Amino acid sequence: QAVVTQEPSLTVSPGGTVTLTCGSSTGAVTSGHYPYWFQQKPGQAPRTLIYDTTTKHSWTPARFSGSLLGGIAALSLSGAQPEDEADYYCSLSYNGATVFGGGTKLTVL
Amino acid sequence: QLVESGGGSVQPGGSLRLSCAASGFSFSTLAIHWVRQAPGKGLVWVSRVSNDGTNTKYADSMKGRFTISRDNAKNTVHLQMNSLRDEDTALYFCMSTHGYWGQGTLVTVSS
Repeated sequence: QAVVTQEPSLTVSPGGTVTLTCGSSTGAVTSGHYPYWFQQKPGQAPRTLIYDTTTKHSWTPARFSGSLLGGIAALSLSGAQPEDEADYYCSLSYNGATVFGGGTKLTVL
Repeated sequence: QLVESGGGSVQPGGSLRLSCAASGFSFSTLAIHWVRQAPGKGLVWVSRVSNDGTNTKYADSMKGRFTISRDNAKNTVHLQMNSLRDEDTALYFCMSTHGYWGQGTLVTVSS
């Protein structure tokens, strides 16, 4: 089974910009992997921010955006807020089977 | 909205059947996944069933032990879990295509 890699931790200053990445052990990530991005705060269920690489939900703050960058999926946060401190997970689809990354702990400090 | 149920405590080797009930969206048009999270750990994908129930996928460690199914007439997905192990202890979530999540149901496997 494929391995999906994420940065274990990142720190961003309030108002700053940060990019979280999501790579695949099988090679370049493409739109055909249908990248998803999830946010999870302590004691809460995950919440989907982005699906199918770039599509936002109605509840996704405008400061979050998804993209593909040089063969990896990316989640960009521009203008970080204290409430953005959370764990972020990506997932990739491999012919109907999904693999989650290990998650990135984002600190806003 | 997705609501999970059926979790509980079971001894190793035992079985549980989880349910995921959907409302408020076109259930029969979306695939449904089960995802689990052990205490203090990350998200792990468990299984997926296609919108019409004809296609299923499993994570390698669940193959042969877990079975996913759906009843579109009742807007429900089930996960039958057999031969449970200590390491199956986790909060089990269901999630739809496009990423609508339930709140989870806790499964504890312990002697």
